[in-house]
Amino acid sequence: NAGVMQNPRHLVRRRGQEARLRCSPMKGHSHVYWYRQLPEEGLKFMVYLQKENIIDESGMPKERFSAEFPKEGPSILRIQQVVRGDSAAYFCASSHGGQGGEQFFGPGTRLTVL
Amino acid sequence: TQLLEQSPQFLSIQEGENLTVYCNSSSVFSSLQWYRQEPGEGPVLLVTVVTGGEVKKLKRLTFQFGDARKDSSLHITAAQPGDTGLYLCAGSNTGKLIFGQGTTLQVKP
Repeated sequence: NAGVMQNPRHLVRRRGQEARLRCSPMKGHSHVYWYRQLPEEGLKFMVYLQKENIIDESGMPKERFSAEFPKEGPSILRIQQVVRGDSAAYFCASSHGGQGGEQFFGPGTRLTVL
Repeated sequence: TQLLEQSPQFLSIQEGENLTVYCNSSSVFSSLQWYRQEPGEGPVLLVTVVTGGEVKKLKRLTFQFGDARKDSSLHITAAQPGDTGLYLCAGSNTGKLIFGQGTTLQVKP
């Protein structure tokens, strides 16, 4: 019974490049959430998706960041034209239900922007 | 904006001691979750509390949700070095989790 999977675990990009982070939710879960953990800061919500729909993107930066959760395949968090300030750990969580559903986290992707 | 204040931020104790971590907010949450996170890994869910006044026990860990569902506490009895780690509380209303700043616990043998 695999948990939430994220890949890659580590990603290095140069300024201006694109970063694509992938998340496969737990089996049977159709709700996916992305969080960011900056160095020395707590976890901050970014976006909440259900299959093919963005439910809440109130934590997403207005520019360069986008997320999708297609009908088939993993959820993708895409960061265009990365800057050094994007360096952080990005975590994906999934839940079976929506509001109030317990969220289970993946191991995270650590993005380093050179 | 909903905020969760978690305290203390750092705690260093000797093996065998008891400790309590607090999580407070001015907002009401429909549920509150406690996680533990190891370096380089994702948070691992310890418990979810949903009812005001609820108390849940997990071996030496006792979790309590305040009557008004605005605050919570985690109490560890007879701490062991294996309890060392980052403890996070997180409140939820609309799906997204609002996290506290975390408590870094070190238990020395």
